[in-house]
Amino acid sequence: KAGVTQTPRYLIKTRGQQVTLSCSPISGHRSVSWYQQTPGQGLQFLFEYFSETQRNKGNFPGRFSGRQFSNSRSEMNVSTLELGDSALYLCASSLEAGTGWETQYFGPGTRLLVL
Amino acid sequence: AQSVTQPDIHITVSEGASLELRCNYSYGATPYLFWYVQSPGQGLQLLLKYFSGDTLVQGIKGFEAEFKRSQSSFNLRKPSVHWSDAAEYFCAVGGSGNTGKLIFGQGTTLQVKP
Repeated sequence: KAGVTQTPRYLIKTRGQQVTLSCSPISGHRSVSWYQQTPGQGLQFLFEYFSETQRNKGNFPGRFSGRQFSNSRSEMNVSTLELGDSALYLCASSLEAGTGWETQYFGPGTRLLVL
Repeated sequence: AQSVTQPDIHITVSEGASLELRCNYSYGATPYLFWYVQSPGQGLQLLLKYFSGDTLVQGIKGFEAEFKRSQSSFNLRKPSVHWSDAAEYFCAVGGSGNTGKLIFGQGTTLQVKP
């Protein structure tokens, strides 16, 4: 089975622009979560989607948004980029949602650099 | 509030030596605990997880971890470290409520000396 795939792998944007990142979960997985990883803040939860519905959201400003499609693929969008948004954005998928013990499988991440 | 603490930011061990990475958690209910490893430029790979039963959990690559409720700890161990184990290790806690959200520790970077 193919793992979680994320596109693009690398991205360079300038302040004020917006960006869309894509995540394709493992086949059959219905839950997708997004995390931001930075050297200063570590790994922080952004949001979780299940059956096209956002189930949970982390403590991030409204500039960060996401969605999930009927095939479970997910996108996240960051509008009005700031320098501090430079990070590795990780997507994780799991079979179901709403159970804390469900194993999440992570993709390789998208590295975003904001200049 | 839920939190995970990994007291050691950086650890260096010699190849063949034993390893223990520390993890302490703060969580009101029964926690679900995970250890992930991240190699440079890669995503996170699950090493092992605990959610009930035997408090000593075996994982991949020869790793094991022991859940100690009285100490709120979930330390990761390996009897003999290989050079390929050099990576960053993350401890995480998952909630028992209606969420798949993981809370991660700050990570421990493992360096292996030849």
